[in-house]
Order: sequence, then structure tokens, then C-alpha cells
Amino acid sequence: ILNVEQSPQSLHVQEGDSTNFTCSFPSSNFYALHWYRWETAKSPEALFVMTLNGDEKKKGRISATLNTKEGYSYLYIKGSQPEDSATYLCAHLNMEYGNKLVFGAGTILRVKS
Amino acid sequence: EAQVTQNPRYLITVTGKKLTVTCSQNMNHEYMSWYRQDPGLGLRQIYYSMNVEVTDKGDVPEGYKVSRKEKRNFPLILESPSPNQTSLYFCASSGGTVSNQPQHFGDGTRLSIL
Repeated sequence: ILNVEQSPQSLHVQEGDSTNFTCSFPSSNFYALHWYRWETAKSPEALFVMTLNGDEKKKGRISATLNTKEGYSYLYIKGSQPEDSATYLCAHLNMEYGNKLVFGAGTILRVKS
Repeated sequence: EAQVTQNPRYLITVTGKKLTVTCSQNMNHEYMSWYRQDPGLGLRQIYYSMNVEVTDKGDVPEGYKVSRKEKRNFPLILESPSPNQTSLYFCASSGGTVSNQPQHFGDGTRLSIL
């Protein structure tokens, strides 16, 4: 089983703060990296799918970068709002293991107003 | 409306009583997958299917079976459920492969095996 690690495990920030968290994955045989947002009592929703080294993607106040050579991706949230409170999951796809997606345990974000 | 539908949403049952959780998608997606979510462990893939009649093991397939006889349906079967299969289960689908397409998740099924 490939190891996908996310840090920090949880994060509490004030409304308006900008924040970022990390997803680390094995750098060899990289295929794709997914980011999902998971609100309590709902199902995970896709944010980004990233495939190329150096990729940067943006959706509103949320953006992500990808470094496949060193095996990490950053997710940034600019000006956090209470509605950003959720668990953020990354998932890694490795060529050696076909189409098996491996998820990290997630980063729990709580934004206080 | 494009969606992935799982049934039942909640089930409490007893050890050894066979059960099936159904999953259906209306987006004509090739890729379908089952995950379980346990506290502190994130989502772990049970089985996935690239297309009709093609299924592969994920990271935690023991104790589960799947079938993909039609493109839209991907049921998860627990032949002899045990308490360690108590968990929150998600079905997901994506168009093409997950190398460039995101997963669309169902609403989840919470299973309790007593």
C-alpha cells in the first residue's frame, strides 16, 4: 500500500486568515493527484485533478500546486470563511498500481468567525 | 440530475447475514469504485471497476465482493458480514480514468454489523 500523508491533521484559523496544507506522496511512477473537500454529513466533492509537475490550479479562493519530483502538493485557501470548514482529502494515483486511488487521512479545517 | 445513488443509506444487521449495498450512476461513467471510511484512516479503496465485467481489488478487498454486469450498476456484496466491517461506505464514479477525471461520490451508506 502506498503511503499518502497529509499535514497538519487539523487546523483552526480565524475568519480572514489564509492557510495552506500539504499532501505528500511517493514521487516515483506518479500518475495523478486529486484534491477533495468533504463537509460533515455530506459526500466528498472534487476540487482538482492534477497530473503535470508544476501544475497550478485555482477555484475561487482555493488553489493548489503540484511537485511530482519531490512528491508533494499544497492546497491554499485565501481569506478563509466559516463555510470553508471541512476535511480536505488528497488522493494519489501511481502508474505501478494501475487505477487504484490511495487517499490520505485528510486535514480537518475549522474556521472561526 | 447527474448523480451516484447508494442504497440503503443506513443498515443495522447481524454477523453472518448476507447483505448487498447497491450503487447506480446516471452519467455513463466507465470507472466505478467502493471505499470505506473509518476514523483516522481516511478513505480506503475496496474494489474498483474500469468497465463492464472488469473489476480489480483495491487496498482492502477481504470480505467483500463486487460485480459489474451493467455500466450503471456496481453493487457491493458482504457474503458473511462481521463487526469489523462496520463502517461508512462510499460508492464513486468517474468518466474515463481517474488519471484525469475526478470521482463523483454517492451520499454514503452507514453499516453497523452487530
